[in-house]
Amino acid sequence: QSALTQPPSASGSPGQSVTISCTGTSSDVGGYNYVSWYQQHPGKAPKVVIYEVSKRPSGVPDRFSGSKSGNTASLTVSGLRAEDEADYHCSSYAGSYWVFGGGTKLTVL
Amino acid sequence: QVQLQESGPGLVKPSGTLSLTCDVSGDSITSGNWWTWVRQPPGEGLEWIAEIYHTGYTKYNPSLKSRVTISVDNSNNQFSLRVTSVTAADTAVYYCARSTDWCLGFWGQGTLVTVSS
Repeated sequence: QSALTQPPSASGSPGQSVTISCTGTSSDVGGYNYVSWYQQHPGKAPKVVIYEVSKRPSGVPDRFSGSKSGNTASLTVSGLRAEDEADYHCSSYAGSYWVFGGGTKLTVL
Repeated sequence: QVQLQESGPGLVKPSGTLSLTCDVSGDSITSGNWWTWVRQPPGEGLEWIAEIYHTGYTKYNPSLKSRVTISVDNSNNQFSLRVTSVTAADTAVYYCARSTDWCLGFWGQGTLVTVSS
């Protein structure tokens, strides 16, 4: 059982927007602004797309955005493209260690 | 460009010890970042295992702490992971990564470790 809760799947058509949630507790997501999101294509290592809740690393399209409200963080992918189809994992600092969510498989219809 | 490469046995017997090393290139392991191990069982999500600073300061996943040791070798620019008393539940792809700006910005390609007799 993962420490953070994500929906197992999400989907959207090209051009649409989709939002993936990540729910934790006041000891992790709600307690720190250190939530990150990772994109993982099959057979590949994860790649960070959002860090510190809403910051985008250099090279990540601005179609990716992050936010947080209380104990729930969210990743929004706007203007969906075929290459966005992947697994997305959230992660949060929990005081002296890090926790991940179970991952969400994003399908572009 | 920072590169990380995991190495170690791909098969470990039950009750044995899993040992992996991560070679770092393109950055010094004493550069002020944290160095991390993450694993992913087949078809499952990611699990954070442990991280270490070049001074030897460590952080561990509470659920694994009793069986896991992370260490750093500054002279060879590498860090390592040991997991004792392994079971089939420890079968996973093991990744090493560099932590900067409170996220894992650089990852190795991962290495599959299977626990089986």
